[in-house]
Amino acid sequence: EDQVTQSPEALRLQEGESSSLNCSYTVSGLRGLFWYRQDPGKGPEFLFTLYSAGEEKEKERLKATLTKKESFLHITAPKPEDSATYLCAVLISSGSARQLTFGSGTQLTVLP
Amino acid sequence: DTGVSQNPRHKITKRGQNVTFRCDPISEHNRLYWYRQTLGQGPEFLTYFQNEAQLEKSRLLSDRFSAERPKGSFSTLEIQRTEQGDSAMYLCAGTSGVMGEAQYFGPGTRLLVL
Repeated sequence: EDQVTQSPEALRLQEGESSSLNCSYTVSGLRGLFWYRQDPGKGPEFLFTLYSAGEEKEKERLKATLTKKESFLHITAPKPEDSATYLCAVLISSGSARQLTFGSGTQLTVLP
Repeated sequence: DTGVSQNPRHKITKRGQNVTFRCDPISEHNRLYWYRQTLGQGPEFLTYFQNEAQLEKSRLLSDRFSAERPKGSFSTLEIQRTEQGDSAMYLCAGTSGVMGEAQYFGPGTRLLVL
């Protein structure tokens, strides 16, 4: 069964304290790994897509990396406005569905 | 702003009532997905449409749930005889359908069944 596990469930950082969020996956036929940011009461906001092991993407203070078994979202010198829940999701090649399978998310709090 | 809109944003109903939600994707989104999200969990797939055709339904989608996408534009999700366990955020997402392209989510409809 395809599984996506995110850790930690919650993370509190001081402003400027860099850290990483983990997303490990057990799927067959990975067609893409996606990172989303979700603020309370809102829909997920797309951040990155990674397609193959070794690939990296960057956006402002965020950098996503991918291996054959996991992905990391590195946050460099975070600010309070980076506080949100970060979700990762995998897209598998199974029939025609192409739906995303999500992890439970990491709730990040950045303290000023 | 993804351009995907959902209405209503919030809905409170009593157990046993029927509710209907609407999703309006952008015109380029020929694929439209519905997900359900409960507190502390990631979104879970419910169903999706390729243009007006409903191509797959999750086991989560009981026979009390029905979805339509007439003319391949907006979509509606109806829940009949609501139960307290239906309380959740209902999200729709659109994509052009190119393999590997991201899905772009709307703001969601928060349902509370009393």
